[in-house]
Amino acid sequence: AQSVTQLGSHVSVSEGALVLLRCNYSSSVPPYLFWYVQYPNQGLQLLLKYTSAATLVKGINGFEAEFKKSETSFHLTKPSAHMSDAAEYFCAVSAFGNEKLTFGTGTRLTIIP
Amino acid sequence: DGGITQSPKYLFRKEGQNVTLSCEQNLNHDAMYWYRQDPGQGLRLIYYSQIVNDFQKGDIAEGYSVSREKKESFPLTVTSAQKNPTAFYLCASSQNQLGKGSYTFGSGTRLTVV
Repeated sequence: AQSVTQLGSHVSVSEGALVLLRCNYSSSVPPYLFWYVQYPNQGLQLLLKYTSAATLVKGINGFEAEFKKSETSFHLTKPSAHMSDAAEYFCAVSAFGNEKLTFGTGTRLTIIP
Repeated sequence: DGGITQSPKYLFRKEGQNVTLSCEQNLNHDAMYWYRQDPGQGLRLIYYSQIVNDFQKGDIAEGYSVSREKKESFPLTVTSAQKNPTAFYLCASSQNQLGKGSYTFGSGTRLTVV
């Protein structure tokens, strides 16, 4: 079975500061890992995904994440936060070859002007 | 434009009533999913279908039912057996295997019991 743990249900950063959202995974088989973003009262949108190719993955809106097998982590970063980044972010995992995703509990990102 | 349409956006249900949430996609995706979202609990899988006329229970299927008679449609019925149905419901779809977990989500239905 696969699972993800997102550390910190709420994160606040100042505009222009580094964004770091943490995700650790557990998987008995090689995982696929994903970050999704959700704006209020909307569905989720894919930010980026890791599917066993390059360990540093670049996504939309300037976000990137690095797969670290030794740490079982897939943390999401952005060098400089914008006000428009305020949203809820979900990390998700699926087993290799299995489409079914398991989501973390989410991290709400607040940007301080 | 291709996408997923969920309707209605807001739904109010009286206790003891069944209600059906609509989910339609025109992406030609094979797989479709229903998730329930509650504050602080993330997304929990209710049901999923990987092919027409077949579906499987997810982690919290009790009190819900689905059908998959057409590739484009995957309606969810919230029955009176669901004791706490107030939540935000999200439908998603993916192209099996090829999509490798890249889901497309609808914009959700917010269900409230009154």
